[in-house]
Amino acid sequence: QVQLQESGPGLVKPSGTLSLTCAVSGGSFSSGNWWSWVRQPPGKGLEWIGEINHSGSTNYNPSLKSRVTLSIDKSKNQFSLKLSSVTAADTAVYYCARLRAVPGTCYYFDYWGQGTLVTVSS
Amino acid sequence: DIQMTQSPSSLSASVGDRVTLTCRASQRISTYLNWFQQKPGKAPTLLVYAASSLQNGVPSRFSGSGSGTDFTLTISSLLPDDFATYFCQQSYSTPFTFGPGTKVDIK
Repeated sequence: QVQLQESGPGLVKPSGTLSLTCAVSGGSFSSGNWWSWVRQPPGKGLEWIGEINHSGSTNYNPSLKSRVTLSIDKSKNQFSLKLSSVTAADTAVYYCARLRAVPGTCYYFDYWGQGTLVTVSS
Repeated sequence: DIQMTQSPSSLSASVGDRVTLTCRASQRISTYLNWFQQKPGKAPTLLVYAASSLQNGVPSRFSGSGSGTDFTLTISSLLPDDFATYFCQQSYSTPFTFGPGTKVDIK
């Protein structure tokens, strides 16, 4: 059973950088999966932030691309998110998730972390 | 970006009711459509992937259908555990996008 767990500061100052890590257990960073971040502002819908695969290839949401960096550390079985120049609009629950990829057939988020609330405030 | 819409935005139903939720994509996405259930304070959980494939462990009262731009999620007989918000999500192209959700509550 794959498990994901987010960690990082729950409070970030405006104009600062939000940094989160997702620890993966019960699975490895093998080919066929991508590792994503999704966020959800309080009381609102879900927004995909971006994804990274085992070789470090990334795809980002264009709406956030200029501020987002994803990285992966296979030796520690974890991947990370950095979001720079944050504002109150970045306040959200941040989830990490595994994207199961079957090229040409389907792609779906099958495992999610529990989520972590990050508040942007001075 | 592919825009996803869902209808209704909310509905009230009773235990035992048959419920059908609708999701529409702004362009054709074949069957690259997934459905999630989310309860307050919890992460989304996958119900259906590839429009009609039931995720392992999901009860058979849930079913999905559709292709192209129009999709449905049906709950054949609502149980108390099914009162939640349901999101659709397209995986046809990045950026992956989600619908705004349908909240199912108790009548």
